[in-house]
Amino acid sequence: KAGVTQTPRYLIKTRGQQVTLSCSPISGHRSVSWYQQTPGQGLQFLFEYFSETQRNKGNFPGRFSGRQFSNSRSEMNVSTLELGDSALYLCASSPGQGLRLSEAFFGQGTRLTVV
Amino acid sequence: SQQGEEDPQALSIQEGENATMNCSYKTSINNLQWYRQNSGRGLVHLILIRSNEREKHSGRLRVTLDTSKKSSSLLITASRAADTASYFCATAPWANAGNMLTFGGGTRLMVKP
Repeated sequence: KAGVTQTPRYLIKTRGQQVTLSCSPISGHRSVSWYQQTPGQGLQFLFEYFSETQRNKGNFPGRFSGRQFSNSRSEMNVSTLELGDSALYLCASSPGQGLRLSEAFFGQGTRLTVV
Repeated sequence: SQQGEEDPQALSIQEGENATMNCSYKTSINNLQWYRQNSGRGLVHLILIRSNEREKHSGRLRVTLDTSKKSSSLLITASRAADTASYFCATAPWANAGNMLTFGGGTRLMVKP
């Protein structure tokens, strides 16, 4: 079974630009979550999508948005990039329902650098 | 914001020794999970313990949970150099929280051969 795939792996953007990151979950998984990891703030939950609907949302500004497609693939978008958005963005998938709904499988992440 | 703290922040031991990491959290939980991260890469799920469980084992891993103290510990026995990584605890607030996990700050473990 293929794991969680995130693309691209590395990205360099300029302040003020926008960026779109992609995540393909494990086949059959309907829940996709996004996390931001920085040295200062650690791992922080951004949002979760389940069956194309945002189910949970973390405490991030509206510049951070996401969506999920009918095949469960998800994208997150960050507009008007700031230097502080430089981070490792991790995507996690899980079945979303059933006994093991809380066990999350993470991708390798996208390293975003804003210059 | 982070759910709690992990202790110690860094741990250095010799191969073959046991490593113990502690995690504290602030709010009620449905379950607590431990993850491993190698050098800024993705996280690997290690073990999940539910709020009504007190101890769980998986191979060389032993996890305890004390909901009255809002704390958990992860014990890695007979450590190996390959165990060198950062370890994070994560909590889920309710059963249907899906992937909405709140992570601790992590413990950096170094196992010297």
